[in-house]
Amino acid sequence: GENVEQHPSTLSVQEGDSAVIKCTYSDSASNYFPWYKQELGKRPQLIIDIRSNVGEKKDQRIAVTLNKTAKHFSLHITETQPEDSAVYFCAAIESSDGLTFGKGTHLIIQP
Amino acid sequence: SQTIHQWPATLVQPVGSPLSLECTVEGTSNPNLYWYRQAAGRGLQLLFYSVGIGQISSEVPQNLSASRPQDRQFILSSKKLLLSDSGFYLCAWSVLGSEQYFGPGTRLTVT
Repeated sequence: GENVEQHPSTLSVQEGDSAVIKCTYSDSASNYFPWYKQELGKRPQLIIDIRSNVGEKKDQRIAVTLNKTAKHFSLHITETQPEDSAVYFCAAIESSDGLTFGKGTHLIIQP
Repeated sequence: SQTIHQWPATLVQPVGSPLSLECTVEGTSNPNLYWYRQAAGRGLQLLFYSVGIGQISSEVPQNLSASRPQDRQFILSSKKLLLSDSGFYLCAWSVLGSEQYFGPGTRLTVT
């Protein structure tokens, strides 16, 4: 089955700086890669996703890149703000099966 | 628009007692449905997924079971809870195996 590794587990950045979270996956058949943001005690919310036929996708301050050859994908947040503080999860999926999640990154935005 | 409901929101149950958590989806037909568990401070683990009424796939061996008696209803059950069953249980839905959207979750504490 799929295995997703996510790094770092904790990331602290100064407000206004950029944050990068990286994930690798094992199943070359995976073709959909979402990122979720989870605030304390709440449900994960989908913030951006990318499919295997695309190398990069951007939505305002958030971007995701995918390297299918190396089997890794990354989340980039620019101009970080206090409200970006949360736990971020990457995930991978091949078909109708459930998502395989990374272990999460606790992003801390320092004022 | 689609809406996903879960109840109860919180639950405290003694070891050995039964469990029934319910998830319902509105505004879509024939969704794929999923149950995930999140242990305190950890990532999300897929427990079960269903692509149709009466069709359940289990990802990990455990003392939990799932059923889908109706198209938009997904139930998670246990005959006898263990301490290790404590966690945040999240139901999710998707269409055609694409983006998954999570319900508000049930926080279960087994004492």
